Amino acid sequence: GENVEQHPSTLSVQEGDSAVIKCTYSDSASNYFPWYKQELGKGPQLIIDIRSNVGEKKDQRIAVTLNKTAKHFSLHITETQPEDSAVYFCAATKWANGGKLTFGTGTRLTIIP
Amino acid sequence: DTAVSQTPKYLVTQMGNDKSIKCEQNLGHDTMYWYKQDSKKFLKIMFSYNNKELIINETVPNRFSPKSPDKAHLNLHINSLELGDSAVYFCASSSSPWTRGKEQETQYFGPGTRLLVL
Repeated sequence: GENVEQHPSTLSVQEGDSAVIKCTYSDSASNYFPWYKQELGKGPQLIIDIRSNVGEKKDQRIAVTLNKTAKHFSLHITETQPEDSAVYFCAATKWANGGKLTFGTGTRLTIIP
Repeated sequence: DTAVSQTPKYLVTQMGNDKSIKCEQNLGHDTMYWYKQDSKKFLKIMFSYNNKELIINETVPNRFSPKSPDKAHLNLHINSLELGDSAVYFCASSSSPWTRGKEQETQYFGPGTRLLVL
């Protein structure tokens, strides 16, 4: 089955700086890669996703890049703000999985004011 | 209106008891899921239902029994609770991910049910 590794497990950055979180996946058939943000006491919320036919996707301060050859994808957050502090999860799946998302182990991002 | 809602939000119970968690979605989705998040924050799928039919069962002990009375509801009943069942349980929903060639749909998560077994 699919295995997703995520690094780093914790990340602290100064407000205004950029943050990068990296994930690798094992199943070359995986073709959908969402990123979720989980705030304290809440459920995961989708912030951005990318499909395997695209190499990069951007939404305001958030971007995701995908390298299918190397089987890794990354989340980039620019101009970080205190409200970006949360736990971030990457995930991977393929159409034949029936929606089964395999999650990474999470990154606790702390923005230092 | 909350898109995916769960009740209760907190559940504290004794070992050996039986408990249920309820989930409802008002997004018109036909696929619903249960995920378990352990103390280390690791998220793992347990079950998924599509149009009230069980599709995914991830080797979960048969003490856990999901039930979907209709497309908008997916409940989780747990028998003979054990200490190791303590976790946060999340319900999620999406449009059907089954059609070949159809792009996967976003899964929307509920707020979670925090279960503590004493």
